[in-house]
Amino acid sequence: NAGVMQNPRHLVRRRGQEARLRCSPMKGHSHVYWYRQLPEEGLKFMVYLQKENIIDESGMPKERFSAEFPKEGPSILRIQQVVRGDSAAYFCASSPTSKRWELFFGEGSRLTVL
Amino acid sequence: DAKTTQPPSMDCAEGRAANLPCNHSTISGNEYVYWYRQIHSQGPQYIIHGLKNNETNEMASLIITEDRKSSTLILPHATLRDTAVYYCIVRVRDSGYALNFGKGTSLLVTP
Repeated sequence: NAGVMQNPRHLVRRRGQEARLRCSPMKGHSHVYWYRQLPEEGLKFMVYLQKENIIDESGMPKERFSAEFPKEGPSILRIQQVVRGDSAAYFCASSPTSKRWELFFGEGSRLTVL
Repeated sequence: DAKTTQPPSMDCAEGRAANLPCNHSTISGNEYVYWYRQIHSQGPQYIIHGLKNNETNEMASLIITEDRKSSTLILPHATLRDTAVYYCIVRVRDSGYALNFGKGTSLLVTP
């Protein structure tokens, strides 16, 4: 059973470009969480999604960031008009239901903004 | 969710037990204690969780004090691969919302 798959693992963008990060949850998991980890800091929750629904986006910046989890395909975290402060590791986690204590994390996508 | 306090760093000799403390003095009756760890450059990994009884699995043991205001994660025989940042998190189990990670304890296991 494959784990949570994230791609790309590394992404370099220039200021003003768009970044798209993809996350395929574990098989049978319909709940996806995105976290951001800035250099030398802890993980910060961004958004929690179920298939086709955003359940909690309280950790998402108000502008430029969006997330989706369509009926088919991976979850996408989209960052428009990236700035240097967006440089971070972005982790995706999945769980089979919302009532689980164990989140399964991917290896992360590392975004570098030049 | 209740706030947790952990030491920023700890050392442990390989083969010895690593005891990682966590204070959560404002924990409420329906909040669980969860432990995760993050090995450098990897995604976090679930270790164990508990409510009020001590818990043990293949990775670690969790000791929760009787008043539930603190807990200790025990790695019985630490190896070099246990070097990681360990996060203690307190939350209501079925709240349906994400875990919030603090700064954790950076554990260094030395040869």
